[in-house]
Amino acid sequence: EVQLVESGGGLVQPGGSLRLSCAASGFTFSSYEMNWVRQAPGKGLEWISYISRSGSTMYYADSVKGRFTISRDNAKNSLYLQMNSLRAEDTAVYYCARGSGLGYWGQGTLVTVSS
Amino acid sequence: QSVLTQPPSASGTPGQRVTISCSGSSSNIGSNYVYWYQQLPGTAPKLLIYSNNQRPSGVPDRFSGSKSGTSASLAISGLRSEDEADYYCAAWDDSLSGWVFGGGTKLTVL
Repeated sequence: EVQLVESGGGLVQPGGSLRLSCAASGFTFSSYEMNWVRQAPGKGLEWISYISRSGSTMYYADSVKGRFTISRDNAKNSLYLQMNSLRAEDTAVYYCARGSGLGYWGQGTLVTVSS
Repeated sequence: QSVLTQPPSASGTPGQRVTISCSGSSSNIGSNYVYWYQQLPGTAPKLLIYSNNQRPSGVPDRFSGSKSGTSASLAISGLRSEDEADYYCAAWDDSLSGWVFGGGTKLTVL
């Protein structure tokens, strides 16, 4: 069974940093592209980052470019999102999603940016 | 403002057929596959339709997708109370080098 489990969310002050993790199981992690998608409270879905199977190619939404960094460790079946210079508008549930069609999603982890 | 345009709401009575539209441009829907996701209250999104009109295993055939030019639509036939959810369309955007989503459509079963 495909499982994606996000962790690392929490309350952080504006300007602070947080590192999210997504633990994958039930499939060959290194064979899939991965993405991070977020959803602000009561709002729609917003894609924020993509990483290729090898980790050599990354893309970012303009809203997070220069502040967030996506990475992966295929040996550990894990995806990461390093978030720096956090702003109030980054408050959201962050989901990791598998593949070129976002075919599987984790349950999400809530990030709250507030003083 | 979402790159893909969906109606904010839709509704129908049990047994009815409803459609949800999704409008984009040549850089996204016009040149790439369209995907649809269902998000039940308090849960993560779930893939409903991939590659314009394909259903993952386990998705009832009451759900169907279509695409024409720079627009797509999701149809739900034989509407059931458990279909009440938010529905999102998405596509890869070649100009943005990223996924773009519609703003979501809240489906109410009356």
